[in-house]
This record gives sequence, structure tokens and C-alpha cells, in this order.
Amino acid sequence: GAVVSQHPSRVICKSGTSVKIECRSLDFQATTMFWYRQFPKQSLMLMATSNEGSKATYEQGVEKDKFLINHASLTLSTLTVTSAHPEDSSFYICSARGQGGQPQHFGDGTRLSIL
Amino acid sequence: GENVEQHPSTLSVQEGDSAVIKCTYSDSASNYFPWYKQELGKGPQLIIDIRSNVGEKKDQRIAVTLNKTAKHFSLHITETQPEDSAVYFCAANPRNTGNQFYFGTGTSLTVIP
Repeated sequence: GAVVSQHPSRVICKSGTSVKIECRSLDFQATTMFWYRQFPKQSLMLMATSNEGSKATYEQGVEKDKFLINHASLTLSTLTVTSAHPEDSSFYICSARGQGGQPQHFGDGTRLSIL
Repeated sequence: GENVEQHPSTLSVQEGDSAVIKCTYSDSASNYFPWYKQELGKGPQLIIDIRSNVGEKKDQRIAVTLNKTAKHFSLHITETQPEDSAVYFCAANPRNTGNQFYFGTGTSLTVIP
């Protein structure tokens, strides 16, 4: 089946640090990748949608200069949280979707803790 | 835009009993409805999906039904087991939004041994 690998699974760092999270589709080409944020006991909040080779589309209220997304290839997208602060602490999850109306397949998430 | 509502938010069942989770959607353009299971500390995993040209789909102990007229779809888990305990999310994908999925608020299912 379709596998999406997300790394790292857990990050603890100091305030002001920039953190990069990688999302890879291992056995299919992901024409579209999505980045979500999930608060405890809540649903998935879509942050941005990225298509390979083009700029990401950010949801309302998501700062594109703070959450940098790069989708340079059909198998890799990265999310960089720049100058992270404690309020950025959260569970970040990526998903990937291939062509032809395929389902979204999710990574296992990254638990980001900013001290 | 699409609005997906999911009920109940929490559900406890005895092992071996059935569990039913219901979702409604608002956009008649939605034509794809996946269900995801999320275990603690992990990402959601697709467990079953249904397209709008089908009314029901079954995969072993899991089934999904879709009523396009009423705009609702349900997840049915039979013969529940403790390992079915997780948070379940429904989603809808309107054909005119391309790839975007709209998720329900989740149901925390607990199967009591």
C-alpha cells in the first residue's frame, strides 16, 4: 500500500530555532501534499496544500513566512517552522495524494515542542 | 464550502458489540468519502472509503454506507475488539475543490474488554 514517511517524529528545541520536517511518499508519486496541524483531542487543521514544482497555497490565518513549505519533487515536501516559539508547539502531520482521485495517505506526524 | 459534522464525539462499546459513527456533509458536489483511524501519537490511517456512485462498501468487519439524498454516511464496525479503540475521522472531498478533504471532528472509540 501507499506509504508516507515523516521525519522527525519528535523535536524539542529552544525558542527562536527553525525546525524542518520532511514528508516523503515512499512508493508512489505525490502530486499533492498537505500539511496539517492537530491540537490535542481535536480534528486536523489544514495549514497548506502544495503541488510539486509550484508555490504552496496557505489556508487563511496561516503565516506563509513562518511556515515555509517546499515541494521540490514528486516524493518530498518539507515544512520549515521558522523562529519557532512556544505557541508553535503542536502535532504536525503531512499527507500525500497521487493522481486520479487517490486517497490522502498520512505520515505518522511530528510532535514539536518549543521550550 | 463543505461542512462535515461527525457524531458521536465519544463512543464506548463492549468487546464484540457493534459501533456506528455517523457523518453528514453539506456540499452535494462531494463525491469521495474516506474514513481514517488515528491511534495515539500516530497519523491517521485510511481504513475504508466510498465513492458517490456506490451505496455501501464492506471490508471484513468494517463497512461504510452512503446516502447521497440525505447527505450522510456512516462507518460500521462489527465484532469490535480492543485494538479497534482509536479516534476515527470521516472526510468528504468535493469534486470541484480538487484535492482538498474536509474532515469531521473525530470520534473517540473505546472498546471495553
